[in-house]
Amino acid sequence: GAVVSQHPSWVICKSGTSVKIECRSLDFQATTMFWYRQFPKQSLMLMATSNEGSKATYEQGVEKDKFLINHASLTLSTLTVTSAHPEDSSFYICSARPTSGTGCEQYFGPGTRLTVT
Amino acid sequence: GQNIDQPTEMTATEGAIVQINCTYQTSGFNGLFWYQQHAGEAPTFLSYNVLDGLEEKGRFSSFLSRSKGYSYLLLKELQMKDSASYLCAVCDSNYQLIWGAGTKLIIKP
Repeated sequence: GAVVSQHPSWVICKSGTSVKIECRSLDFQATTMFWYRQFPKQSLMLMATSNEGSKATYEQGVEKDKFLINHASLTLSTLTVTSAHPEDSSFYICSARPTSGTGCEQYFGPGTRLTVT
Repeated sequence: GQNIDQPTEMTATEGAIVQINCTYQTSGFNGLFWYQQHAGEAPTFLSYNVLDGLEEKGRFSSFLSRSKGYSYLLLKELQMKDSASYLCAVCDSNYQLIWGAGTKLIIKP
C-alpha cells in the first residue's frame, strides 16, 4: 500500500516551453502533497506544499508564477514548470501525506528528471 | 532556527557495522525519520522514531534521544547495495519534514 506515482519519469524540453508533472497517490487519499527539487549531489529542497482545494504554499525563493501547482483532487497534484530554462533542469520529486495518517508520514513518488535544452 | 546535522560522508567495509548520527534543533517534534536514497532515485522510508529508544528492523536499527536532540541509524552486516545517501528528517510542530543534507555512505569490499 501507500504507492505514489509520478509522470513522466523523465522529460526533455526546449528552453521557453512548459512542462507538466503529475503526482498521484494510487491507493490512498492525500489532502497534502509536497513538491521537492534536488540538484546533483545536493539534498532535497522543499519547493511547495500543495493542499487539495486551496492555493499552494511556496517556500522562500521559489517563484509561484513559474512553478504552478494544482491540487484538484485528493489523489492528484500537478506541477507545471512554465517557460523552462536550462537552470530548471533537476530531479523533481513529489510526496503525499495520507489524509488518515499520523500527520508526519510522507510517501514519495519515483521522481521526474527534467532536462531543459 | 531549525537545524539538522549529519556527517557529509562516511566510508565502511562490506560486512562491518556503521552508525550514522543525526542531531537536530527544531520548533517542536513529532518524530524523526530515516530515509535511504540511491543516486538518481527518490528516497525510500527506513524508520520512524517518536519515542526514546531503539527500533530494530532487520539489519537496520534507529535510536532516538529526544532530550539530547539526537538520533542514529545503525547498519549491520553491510552490503555493497547499502551504498547510498541516508537522510535524517524531523517532523516539526507544523507536521512539516525538516531535512538534513544527507550522509553519503560508501561501502568498500
